[in-house]
Amino acid sequence: QSALTQPRSVSGSPGQSVTISCTGTSSDVGGYNYVSWYQQHPGKAPKLMIYDVSKRPSGVPDRFSGSKSGNTASLTISGLQAEDEADYYCCSYAGSYNPRVFGGGTKLTVL
Amino acid sequence: QVQLVESGGGLVKPGGSLRLSCAASGFTFSDYYMSWIRQAPGKGLEWVSYISSSSSYTNYADSVKGRFTISRDNAKNSLYLQMNSLRAEDTAVYYCARDVHSSPIPGFDYWGQGTLVTVSS
Repeated sequence: QSALTQPRSVSGSPGQSVTISCTGTSSDVGGYNYVSWYQQHPGKAPKLMIYDVSKRPSGVPDRFSGSKSGNTASLTISGLQAEDEADYYCCSYAGSYNPRVFGGGTKLTVL
Repeated sequence: QVQLVESGGGLVKPGGSLRLSCAASGFTFSDYYMSWIRQAPGKGLEWVSYISSSSSYTNYADSVKGRFTISRDNAKNSLYLQMNSLRAEDTAVYYCARDVHSSPIPGFDYWGQGTLVTVSS
């Protein structure tokens, strides 16, 4: 199972909005509403930010939102803050044989 | 509070074996699917394996199928990963994670701090 495709890097200024894309196929992202997003700061464990495309776990700011259109899922961060600078990974259900596939990760830089 | 603490990582020669453990606390361990996810140095995340709450179902990434075995002991609130026939490409930080769904659908809401496995001669 190939990894989902994410941009290697994105950037934005404090207060701005940025969107990170996660492109798959009809066998994963496009076929199910089960995309999750993770934030990882250097040397730390990942943190769940979004699951089931657009659900936010308790404690995650509502500046973080998720959506999906066709084979592409997106994570949007509005009102960028310095602490949002991190790596972000998407993950999708991909069927019963090889059910979990991650994206390659996107480095978010807050300018 | 939910805590996951991995142990058992270390340096092992190619072809060798290692057993990772993950001690869980702060939640009803037997209610949740659990997963192992790894991250090679400087690389992205890779799902390795999951196990259902009662150990009835397991699944593995193609890259480890036939070499790794996931198991759990609900009485001890512990998750395990037996890794055999290790290769250099298995070198990574291994995380245990709790699944937010009680199903194969991914969504990992709590993660351990990770344990480093290095496969080298």
